[in-house]
Amino acid sequence: DAGVIQSPRHEVTEMGQEVTLRCKPISGHDYLFWYRQTMMRGLELLIYFNNNVPIDDSGMPEDRFSAKMPNASFSTLKIQPSEPRDSAVYFCASSEQGASGNEQFFGPGTRLTVL
Amino acid sequence: GESVGLHLPTLSVQEGDNSIINCAYSNSASDYFIWYKQESGKGPQFIIDIRSNMDKRQGQRVTVLLNKTVKHLSLQIAATQPGDSAVYFCAENPGWNRDDKIIFGKGTRLHILP
Repeated sequence: DAGVIQSPRHEVTEMGQEVTLRCKPISGHDYLFWYRQTMMRGLELLIYFNNNVPIDDSGMPEDRFSAKMPNASFSTLKIQPSEPRDSAVYFCASSEQGASGNEQFFGPGTRLTVL
Repeated sequence: GESVGLHLPTLSVQEGDNSIINCAYSNSASDYFIWYKQESGKGPQFIIDIRSNMDKRQGQRVTVLLNKTVKHLSLQIAATQPGDSAVYFCAENPGWNRDDKIIFGKGTRLHILP
């Protein structure tokens, strides 16, 4: 398996533009997680899905952020409109089962820069 | 609160020596803990985990110790190698209502001296 796949790897956009980040989890994994990493705040969980259903979105910073998982092999994280403070590395991770006792496999991340 | 934190942001260790990275957690209900390693430009990678019913768990060159009395977690790396240079995160599963998320600490950078 190729592991968790994220695209694009780098994204540079201007404030106000819509940004869509994509993730393909490892086949057979029932859980998908979206994280954001910054120097100031570290690694923060934004939202996670179980069997394509959003379970906990309490980490989504505001309404400008939305995430979908239309099927077991694809998820998107959308920011509309984007702001400079959204600049960060966004990671997608997947696991076979829930957190306790189950390793999360992380993708390489998408580095987002909002000018 | 329920945050997971680290005592030292940066740790410098001589190659070949043992490294000890510490972590404090605040939620006494947490029942599962994990250490992740993140190399530059990559996503975090699982190293080792431990459940709250254990005090110690060993892997290849790594050992995790859990002290529930003082809510402290540590990662020991034996015979540190240049490839061990990375940021290390501890993480916990709070165990609320069988919640499936984990909360990451801020991270400690391990720097290997030649």
